[in-house]
Amino acid sequence: QKEVEQDPGPLSVPEGAIVSLNCTYSNSAFQYFMWYRQYSRKGPELLMYTYSSGNKEDGRFTAQVDKSSKYISLFIRDSQPSDSATYLCALAASGANSKLTFGKGITLSVRP
Amino acid sequence: KAGVTQTPRYLIKTRGQQVTLSCSPISGHRSVSWYQQTPGQGLQFLFEYFSETQRNKGNFPGRFSGRQFSNSRSEMNVSTLELGDSALYLCASSPTNGATNIQYFGAGTRLSVL
Repeated sequence: QKEVEQDPGPLSVPEGAIVSLNCTYSNSAFQYFMWYRQYSRKGPELLMYTYSSGNKEDGRFTAQVDKSSKYISLFIRDSQPSDSATYLCALAASGANSKLTFGKGITLSVRP
Repeated sequence: KAGVTQTPRYLIKTRGQQVTLSCSPISGHRSVSWYQQTPGQGLQFLFEYFSETQRNKGNFPGRFSGRQFSNSRSEMNVSTLELGDSALYLCASSPTNGATNIQYFGAGTRLSVL
């Protein structure tokens, strides 16, 4: 079983839709949960960063972490064509030198 | 503040050659990590350097190596290139204090091995 599983997609939604992106993981040591956005021909850009369980909101983006179910989600409200990109979940255990373990990413397309 | 800078952006090499990629981290960041990104495997961790020392290493063969200089700039080297090494190589830097798990990525070097 892979440490981090992410829905493969691709995902296509109309502008204004609510988008739900999800990852599951198997390693209980993960304490830090991140979502990155990657546009074509660019490096990943950090969107959301959460420590331990709970919700975090930033504008149209909400990150949720459920450690009991080993499940993390990113919600995008009022999706825009500019949200079209690949979204990657990334997880890390505690410790300053802990590596990031990424999901494979899901490509989102928001249709005008 | 300037972001993470990777050079070159694109490289074309042939099998058996070797290649060196360069990364300049965000000013003040002392941790540099390298990742390989392919459509099939996604982003996979190669290694991480902090203060010129390798602190963490992924599951890649010894053909992949790296180093970090006293100014935190880092290089990675791939020797005896194989077709399967064609990928986007990403460098990321982390702050020394605070949320040290947050990594900031460069735009990557796209390597094509023919």
